[in-house]
Amino acid sequence: DVKVTQSSRYLVKRTGEKVFLECVQDMDHENMFWYRQDPGLGLRLIYFSYDVKMKEKGDIPEGYSVSREKKERFSLILESASTNQTSMYLCASTPWGRERDNEQFFGPGTRLTVL
Amino acid sequence: QKEVEQNSGPLSVPEGAIASLNCTYSDRGSQSFFWYRQYSGKSPELIMFIYSNGDKEDGRFTAQLNKASQYVSLLIRDSQPSDSATYLCAVEGNQGGKLIFGQGTELSVKP
Repeated sequence: DVKVTQSSRYLVKRTGEKVFLECVQDMDHENMFWYRQDPGLGLRLIYFSYDVKMKEKGDIPEGYSVSREKKERFSLILESASTNQTSMYLCASTPWGRERDNEQFFGPGTRLTVL
Repeated sequence: QKEVEQNSGPLSVPEGAIASLNCTYSDRGSQSFFWYRQYSGKSPELIMFIYSNGDKEDGRFTAQLNKASQYVSLLIRDSQPSDSATYLCAVEGNQGGKLIFGQGTELSVKP
């Protein structure tokens, strides 16, 4: 079974703090994704990566950065957390090349609250 | 215009009825379509994917795709209370592995 893990299920931070969200997958997938999910807005793509040290902006990259130093690990960084970044953050991965049935496997999510 | 749109919920159906969930998309070149189920407090899980026009059946679930009209639907027959969840429609994006999600439709199946 594919396993995608995220470093924390719940996280509470203060405005202005630097926040790291970690995601690790154990199936040697090339593609990894970070989403945030808010009520009524569905999943919105923040950043994605299809190889080590590669990153691409998604639909809402402002206020976020990412790091992919190893294939299995994709980190989301909030340089200076703000209250409007309070959300559920979901990481996902998928193997390269299976575009017709490229199921994305999701981690359990991190619910981040910024006070 | 949103790229992927779903019925605004919540959708409530009685146990045993057919639940119909609809999704429209704007990119006529899209080839692959997915339905994910998300229980409250959990992460999404894939239940169906489809890429050919017509119907695809898997147990109580049927996905229907009409590329000419740019819509994809999910039918759940003999709905059960355990089907109560939010259903997310997703369409492949223009870069490898990228999906574009709709906002989701909340389904409630009443016993």
